[in-house]
Amino acid sequence: KQEVTQIPAALSVPEGENLVLNCSFTDSAIYNLQWFRQDPGKGLTSLLLIQSSQREQTSGRLNASLDKSSGRSTLYIAASQPGDSATYLCAVRRRGNNRLAFGKGNQVVVIP
Amino acid sequence: GAVVSQHPSWVICKSGTSVKIECRSLDFQATTMFWYRQFPKQSLMLMATSNEGSKATYEQGVEKDKFLINHASLTLSTLTVTSAHPEDSSFYICSARDDGLAGGPPPNEQFFGPGTRLTVL
Repeated sequence: KQEVTQIPAALSVPEGENLVLNCSFTDSAIYNLQWFRQDPGKGLTSLLLIQSSQREQTSGRLNASLDKSSGRSTLYIAASQPGDSATYLCAVRRRGNNRLAFGKGNQVVVIP
Repeated sequence: GAVVSQHPSWVICKSGTSVKIECRSLDFQATTMFWYRQFPKQSLMLMATSNEGSKATYEQGVEKDKFLINHASLTLSTLTVTSAHPEDSSFYICSARDDGLAGGPPPNEQFFGPGTRLTVL
């Protein structure tokens, strides 16, 4: 069974600092890995999707890396803004399987 | 593009009643949809995989007779919580996997709805 862990569970940073969010997974036989953003009481917004053959994906201030062999992904958010305050979820899709296994999330607060 | 809607966005009901939640893919076809449940400060837990035209596949520990799923068309899946109890109170989120038709979003990616907050009194 795929286990997904996100560290730290919660963090607060001053505006302008870079954010580093970590995700680890136990089974490296993945199809892809996806990072989502969730605001309180809301659904999920997809941020970045990395296929198993890729090492990283970038979108604006966001960069996600994937090291499949070590079972890790890192989401970098450059020059954080108060609007980046949210919970960030990491989800892994296993090969030959439609299911997504989610971590518990990194709850981020960016202090103005 | 790739929008998934859920209705209602929130519902409050009495214990013992049934509640139906709809999940629609608005601009793409989805043979497969997924239903998740999320408790406060917890991860999303997959409840079942909904397949158009066939029976849903339930995850271990999820009662299929309590959580009825119907996927009657390529754009609509419904989850009915039967005889709801306070412990069923949760945030229910659906996702739809794009079938990957020409001109649409990348195939196989899942798109999530905004969620439905269920409170059972």
